[in-house]
Amino acid sequence: AQSVTQPDIHITVSEGASLELRCNYSYGATPYLFWYVQSPGQGLQLLLKYFSGDTLVQGIKGFEAEFKRSQSSFNLRKPSVHWSDAAEYFCARRDGYNKLIFGAGTRLAVHP
Amino acid sequence: NAGVTQTPKFRVLKTGQSMTLLCAQDMNHEYMYWYRQDPGMGLRLIHYSVGEGTTAKGEVPDGYNVSRLKKQNFLLGLESAAPSQTSVYFCASSADREPSPLHFGNGTRLTVT
Repeated sequence: AQSVTQPDIHITVSEGASLELRCNYSYGATPYLFWYVQSPGQGLQLLLKYFSGDTLVQGIKGFEAEFKRSQSSFNLRKPSVHWSDAAEYFCARRDGYNKLIFGAGTRLAVHP
Repeated sequence: NAGVTQTPKFRVLKTGQSMTLLCAQDMNHEYMYWYRQDPGMGLRLIHYSVGEGTTAKGEVPDGYNVSRLKKQNFLLGLESAAPSQTSVYFCASSADREPSPLHFGNGTRLTVT
């Protein structure tokens, strides 16, 4: 069965520091991959998606992610974190009928 | 456009009670989904629908029923609530072009005592 793994449950970074959130997916043909962000008490907002083409994708709020087929990874990065980035981040891959299989999430805390 | 709207936002039930969660979308999407979110488990798919009048089971369908009588609405029912159904429930929709991203509502927090 397809699966998505986010190895880090919690991450704490200082404001202004760089960020990388890890995501690994189980092997499958042409994965369609997503990163969503959830602020406290809110729904999920799409940060970025990878369908095909350039393996480095840009998203909203200054985030980017790199698809690496050889490592089955789709890590999310941001060069300089802002306090407002504190949230929970979910990596997901598409199943049939656009169903999403989610990782368990990574909760990001930002220290001033 | 409102996007995906869920009602109610909060609900407390006693064990054995029933209730229906309503999801409405105004994007003319064919596909709709119900997920539940539990700490440390991400979001898990309960049921989904690929068009008006259709429904299908997801990963964790037991104890839930759904209906899609109108294209814009997707209802999630709990016939006899159990404490294990305490969770945050999210509705989502997407276009039927594949792949397409999902658009999520703001969730319903349900507590079963």
